[in-house]
Amino acid sequence: EAAVTQSPRNKVAVTGGKVTLSCNQTNNHNNMYWYRQDTGHGLRLIHYSYGAGSTEKGDIPDGYKASRPSQENFSLILELATPSQTSVYFCASGELGDQDTQYFGPGTRLLVL
Amino acid sequence: GDSVTQTEGQVTVSESKSLIINCTYSATSIGYPNLFWYVRYPGEGLQLLLKVITAGQKGSSRGFEATYNKEATSFHLQKASVQESDSAVYYCALSPNSAGNKLTFGIGTRVLVRP
Repeated sequence: EAAVTQSPRNKVAVTGGKVTLSCNQTNNHNNMYWYRQDTGHGLRLIHYSYGAGSTEKGDIPDGYKASRPSQENFSLILELATPSQTSVYFCASGELGDQDTQYFGPGTRLLVL
Repeated sequence: GDSVTQTEGQVTVSESKSLIINCTYSATSIGYPNLFWYVRYPGEGLQLLLKVITAGQKGSSRGFEATYNKEATSFHLQKASVQESDSAVYYCALSPNSAGNKLTFGIGTRVLVRP
């Protein structure tokens, strides 16, 4: 059984629309992360969280918000989607005492038209 | 900031041949970083292949090996004899040796193993 799941797996959105990407983890990890991956780039960190109620900006947070309502769930929100946000998004969970190892979901492919 | 540079693009190799994917890093934090190789098989998320947190040590998993070379700031991934099932995208990554749990990734190397 997958420990980190993402929904939806594929999404087509219109420019200016709101998009919410969801992530659920059953690892009971405190830390969760949202990355995007584009051709020619490694995974880049958008937002992360140290626990329920906490969100922190990563390296490329502009245009994104995050929400961590519980230990298990971490959402990424695009209030006004733009074509430049077309990408593959990965969620991950991790524990500080695990030498920074992170456990990833399968990814969400987002296309903004 | 921290950065990771790895073999770009796609590497095509025949089954049973050897494979090497180059990875070099630059870390600005005090102390030596933790180093990782992640792999992404088709249709799946990234999964940890191996990690090494001590300079000079070697990590191994599923026939792959990588040695933490702090002098050369390298962490090359090698396998002596690849199989078709090794076709995947491989990512080198580092995290600073301090509290924070943040990873910096290379761009990924796609490996295609031909039967």
